[in-house]
Amino acid sequence: QSALTQPASVSGSPGQSITISCTGTSSDVGSYNLVSWYQQRPGKAPKVMIYEDNKRPSGVSNRFSGSKSGSTASLTISGLQAEDEADYYCCSYVGSFVVFGGGTRLTVL
Amino acid sequence: QLQVQESGPGLVKPSETLSLICTVSGGSISSMSYNWGWNRQPPGKGLEWIGSIYYSGNTYFNPSLKSRVTISVDTSKNQFSLKLSSVTAADTAVYYCARGIVGATPLFDYWGQGTLVTVSS
Repeated sequence: QSALTQPASVSGSPGQSITISCTGTSSDVGSYNLVSWYQQRPGKAPKVMIYEDNKRPSGVSNRFSGSKSGSTASLTISGLQAEDEADYYCCSYVGSFVVFGGGTRLTVL
Repeated sequence: QLQVQESGPGLVKPSETLSLICTVSGGSISSMSYNWGWNRQPPGKGLEWIGSIYYSGNTYFNPSLKSRVTISVDTSKNQFSLKLSSVTAADTAVYYCARGIVGATPLFDYWGQGTLVTVSS
């Protein structure tokens, strides 16, 4: 059982915006621990989309943005495209250990 | 361009030791800026961090696996390895090696393609 809770699934139509939440505790997300977000397309390795709560690696579309409030981090995808359909995982430290959220499947309708 | 690639047996018998190697090319494994980690994903399930090794040699493991995991680095070969002992069917998964950037967030920026390891007699 993951220490970081994500909704199992979200969906949206092309052009819309969606937000995926990642809820932790005061020991992880709610403390000084920052969050990263990974996208995983079927049969592929994960790809980092956001790190340190809200930073985008070079090459990642600015349609992807991250934020955090208290013990909940969020990933927002604006201008939804078919290629965004994938599984998304949040990730943070709990002490010296890495913890992934349970994952959210994004369906583009 | 950095590349990481897993290699090892795709089938391991129950109670035996799973051994995988990750070969790093296009960059040095010896850098204080990076750590080297293993993650896995059981079929149809989510990602699970197994553990990471730092330049200092310090290792950190998922508490649920700690008693069975060993991660080591061979700088002469630019490789790092994973050993998981006393495996059961629950250890069947795609295993990924990845480079982590040392910092305030778990940032694995380069991943291998993954290798499926099945535990079965």
